[in-house]
Amino acid sequence: ILNVEQSPQSLHVQEGDSTNFTCSFPSSNFYALHWYRWETAKSPEALFVMTLNGDEKKKGRISATLNTKEGYSYLYIKGSQPEDSATYLCAFTGATNKLIFGTGTLLAVQP
Amino acid sequence: DTGVSQDPRHKITKRGQNVTFRCDPISEHNRLYWYRQTLGQGPEFLTYFQNEAQLEKSRLLSDRFSAERPKGSFSTLEIQRTEQGDSAMYLCASSLGVLAGGEQYFGPGTRLTVT
Repeated sequence: ILNVEQSPQSLHVQEGDSTNFTCSFPSSNFYALHWYRWETAKSPEALFVMTLNGDEKKKGRISATLNTKEGYSYLYIKGSQPEDSATYLCAFTGATNKLIFGTGTLLAVQP
Repeated sequence: DTGVSQDPRHKITKRGQNVTFRCDPISEHNRLYWYRQTLGQGPEFLTYFQNEAQLEKSRLLSDRFSAERPKGSFSTLEIQRTEQGDSAMYLCASSLGVLAGGEQYFGPGTRLTVT
């Protein structure tokens, strides 16, 4: 059984705080690790797709790292803003095309 | 809007009724996926198509569920004899390519409530 785990389950921070989330996934049969941001009543939005061990990706104030040998990825948000409030999902892709998701981290940023 | 669209956005139905959802993928995408998300869980894979061929189905997809993609464009997901446990958000995604791990683009989902 392939298991993807995310922590923490939820996080409340103040505007301007920096924060990070963890995603752990199976290290065998790895193809890609995806991060999505999902705001209420909207489509999940792809943030990053990472495939190589040691990958680091950045989009504005958000960045992510990948360690495929030990099976974890970190997502960092620098200087959180209220508009960053959302559920952040990571998903693992193995030899098939389906995404195997974690349960997500719910981020609430207080102004 | 050239993204993935889903219809309806919300559906309330009584137990035992049949429901059908539609997904229109991004036009050039050859792959289409269905996922289901229940409260407190991440989305779970249901099935996927490459063009019109249904290539994989999850064990979550009971006999009451059927999905089609007749011309390799839009897809429908039908649930027969709905049960309260079918209440969930049904998400559709599409992607382009033949390799595993490609980026999937999601629609806004159809929220099903079975009363």
